[in-house]
Amino acid sequence: NAGVTQTPKFRVLKTGQSMTLLCAQDMNHEYMYWYRQDPGMGLRLIHYSVGEGTTAKGEVPDGYNVSRLKKQNFLLGLESAAPSQTSVYFCASSGTYTDTQYFGPGTRLTVL
Amino acid sequence: GESVGLHLPTLSVQEGDNSIINCAYSNSASDYFIWYKQESGKGPQFIIDIRSNMDKRQGQRVTVLLNKTVKHLSLQIAATQPGDSAVYFCAENWGTGRRALTFGSGTRLQVQP
Repeated sequence: NAGVTQTPKFRVLKTGQSMTLLCAQDMNHEYMYWYRQDPGMGLRLIHYSVGEGTTAKGEVPDGYNVSRLKKQNFLLGLESAAPSQTSVYFCASSGTYTDTQYFGPGTRLTVL
Repeated sequence: GESVGLHLPTLSVQEGDNSIINCAYSNSASDYFIWYKQESGKGPQFIIDIRSNMDKRQGQRVTVLLNKTVKHLSLQIAATQPGDSAVYFCAENWGTGRRALTFGSGTRLQVQP
């Protein structure tokens, strides 16, 4: 039981490039989330999903897209990366009957 | 929008002492609160949670207190150890059915040996 895993762990992009971050969970959780964390700040919600095939915007959705084609996976895409998207990205999941979210180890993204 | 905040950005304690980390929230509709611990380079790790129908909950060496009258949340760590050194975040669920958490900015706990 690996919990929540994220790939890649690190990535450097040039402005305008695109990439996809992958989150996978093996806990059969319905809910999945993408957050970003900037230095000295708490986590801010980008997008979330309440089930396979559904997604919704969070607090800071601009510049990101997501997809939940399979229950266990939640993808975060950057179509045209900007330096302002340099951050650490965390994925989380939670079950149907609990609000407790379990987090992955994070992806550190640098946009030059 | 309403947000969760923390009173102290850094807390330094001696090993063996008790630690108290405070958090203020402003959304009276919040019905669930949670504390996370984040060590450097890692994702947040669940510590303890509490629902709004409770005012105290205890775990192993940790206690969370909720005062709804003044919208205040605290995390107490007994007999603080060097391994407790980390950034601690409180978070709230607004009870809208959205299931997403709103996080505070964090408090760094430094344990002096």
